[in-house]
Amino acid sequence: DGGITQSPKYLFRKEGQNVTLSCEQNLNHDAMYWYRQDPGQGLRLIYYSQIVNDFQKGDIAEGYSVSREKKESFPLTVTSAQKNPTAFYLCASSIFNRWDQPQHFGDGTRLSIL
Amino acid sequence: AQSVTQLGSHVSVSEGALVLLRCNYSSSVPPYLFWYVQYPNQGLQLLLKYTSAATLVKGINGFEAEFKKSETSFHLTKPSAHMSDAAEYFCAVMNGSNTGKLIFGQGTTLQVKP
Repeated sequence: DGGITQSPKYLFRKEGQNVTLSCEQNLNHDAMYWYRQDPGQGLRLIYYSQIVNDFQKGDIAEGYSVSREKKESFPLTVTSAQKNPTAFYLCASSIFNRWDQPQHFGDGTRLSIL
Repeated sequence: AQSVTQLGSHVSVSEGALVLLRCNYSSSVPPYLFWYVQYPNQGLQLLLKYTSAATLVKGINGFEAEFKKSETSFHLTKPSAHMSDAAEYFCAVMNGSNTGKLIFGQGTTLQVKP
């Protein structure tokens, strides 16, 4: 079955450390997204990519970085500049330019500070 | 700019009772609207979507939603709640700028009492 795989499921970050969250999809989708979820705040867009080797900042990109070297993969790095990284991170993908089609989500990574 | 408002962050119903989760949107263009469900520590799963076809949309697990343009609403209903419906529900509208950005409401947590 096609889907989105996020790893790890739980991640702990030490002060001053960068950590990378993995997102892989086998749905053959061009567009991929990273969201941050905090209690009571819904989902907020961090970065998105519509095509390989191209990505754009979302609403809360500060302290995060991404790459899109392969269609299937869209890793997110939470840098030490992100002072409040504790959250649930969700990766999604969709068909590019078919905005009537839904985004498909992975099962998330929960990041906490040690 | 598009936005979504979900009225009521927590809704509690008895098992077998009607479920009504409210969603109002603002959009300068005909919207694409989505309802997602999220179980604890999981990703989002699509319940249903409105894409300008029928105004009454049927989804999975017995849920349905009605698009009312005059009221700018897309409320989610289910005639009879089941214990397994307890989860968080998100309404979302597709950003109209051809970026594929979804704008999410704050979410509504549904509690089902036995």
